Amino acid sequence: GIQVEQSPPDLILQEGANSTLRCNFSDSVNNLQWFHQNPWGQLINLFYIPSGTKQNGRLSATTVATERYSLLYISSSQTTDSGVYFCAVERITNNNDMRFGAGTRLTVKP
Amino acid sequence: DVKVTQSSRYLVKRTGEKVFLECVQDMDHENMFWYRQDPGLGLRLIYFSYDVKMKEKGDIPEGYSVSREKKERFSLILESASTNQTSMYLCASITPLGGGDRGYTFGSGTRLTVV
Repeated sequence: GIQVEQSPPDLILQEGANSTLRCNFSDSVNNLQWFHQNPWGQLINLFYIPSGTKQNGRLSATTVATERYSLLYISSSQTTDSGVYFCAVERITNNNDMRFGAGTRLTVKP
Repeated sequence: DVKVTQSSRYLVKRTGEKVFLECVQDMDHENMFWYRQDPGLGLRLIYFSYDVKMKEKGDIPEGYSVSREKKERFSLILESASTNQTSMYLCASITPLGGGDRGYTFGSGTRLTVV
């Protein structure tokens, strides 16, 4: 099956710092999403980004589908950005089933 | 907003018990999914369903079954719970995001402990 690898596995930042999270995937995909899981376990969709670049406030994401990777940028990080960030890819099927990476655990210190 | 509701936040069951985890979504979505989340492994797909009475195995279906009798409800069943099924279970359904985009909406999860 498709492999999804995220790096780094853990990241500790000082408040105000910038960071880049990476997601590599092993096959062509229909869909790629970035999620944030808060400390209470709730998963929130950040971006639907099968290709190109999108921005939402301090967050932006870029997917280069031909090279099978995606990047999530967090600028001016805040303590509320802490949590686990997941990348998930949707295989080219009709069933919209997605496969997740192992996640990057981000800790932002005040 | 779309809501995906999981019936229990925390659950403790004994080895060998039959366990039902319920998930309900309120937006008539066709596709629903069950994942389990374990430290260092991310979310792994157990089963998914793309229509009533339809189901497909994910990557780790062993020890689980599912039921989808109505579109809004997707149940995960542990026929005989074992300690290695202690995990966080997450249900999701697909949400249109507008402009042709789509995304997942997750329930808040059920943390199951099998003792």
